[in-house]
Amino acid sequence: AQSVTQPDIHITVSEGASLELRCNYSYGATPYLFWYVQSPGQGLQLLLKYFSGDTLVQGIKGFEAEFKRSQSSFNLRKPSVHWSDAAEYFCAVGPSNDYKLSFGAGTTVTVRA
Amino acid sequence: DGGITQSPKYLFRKEGQNVTLSCEQNLNHDAMYWYRQDPGQGLRLIYYSQIVNDFQKGDIAEGYSVSREKKESFPLTVTSAQKNPTAFYLCASSTGGNEQFFGPGTRLTVL
Repeated sequence: AQSVTQPDIHITVSEGASLELRCNYSYGATPYLFWYVQSPGQGLQLLLKYFSGDTLVQGIKGFEAEFKRSQSSFNLRKPSVHWSDAAEYFCAVGPSNDYKLSFGAGTTVTVRA
Repeated sequence: DGGITQSPKYLFRKEGQNVTLSCEQNLNHDAMYWYRQDPGQGLRLIYYSQIVNDFQKGDIAEGYSVSREKKESFPLTVTSAQKNPTAFYLCASSTGGNEQFFGPGTRLTVL
């Protein structure tokens, strides 16, 4: 069975500083991997996805993520955080031949001035 | 604009009542999903449908029911058998195994 772990429940970062959110997955084959962002009381918006190919994936809003098969990780990064990046971030994993995704518990990001 | 709409945004239910949450999409997606979100637990899959007139239980289907009579619509009924229905409910759609697109959500509160 597939599963996702986001080790950090809450991260506080200063505006302009770099951000890295961790995601570890468990899956037997090459998974489809996603990062979503959710503002309070809203739905989820896709930041980026990895299906195959280049292991460094660029997304929207200046985010990128790197797939590391040997570490079963798909960490999300942003070089310089803006106050508008304060939100909850979810990592998700799904098999290539199925419709179901498994989501991590989420990481809440607070941005301080 | 293409997208997913959910209504109502807020819903209040008395104990013992059934309520139905609406989800409509105009993305021409074959698959649709319902998730429940509770603080600190991420998203848990309730039901999903890959095609019209067919749907499968997710991880927490007890106390919920769905129908898929049209490609565009996937309503969720929260029945009185659901013991703790207060939560944020999210509907999503996708084309096959690709990324899922989410609606804005419905917050259900039991009074």
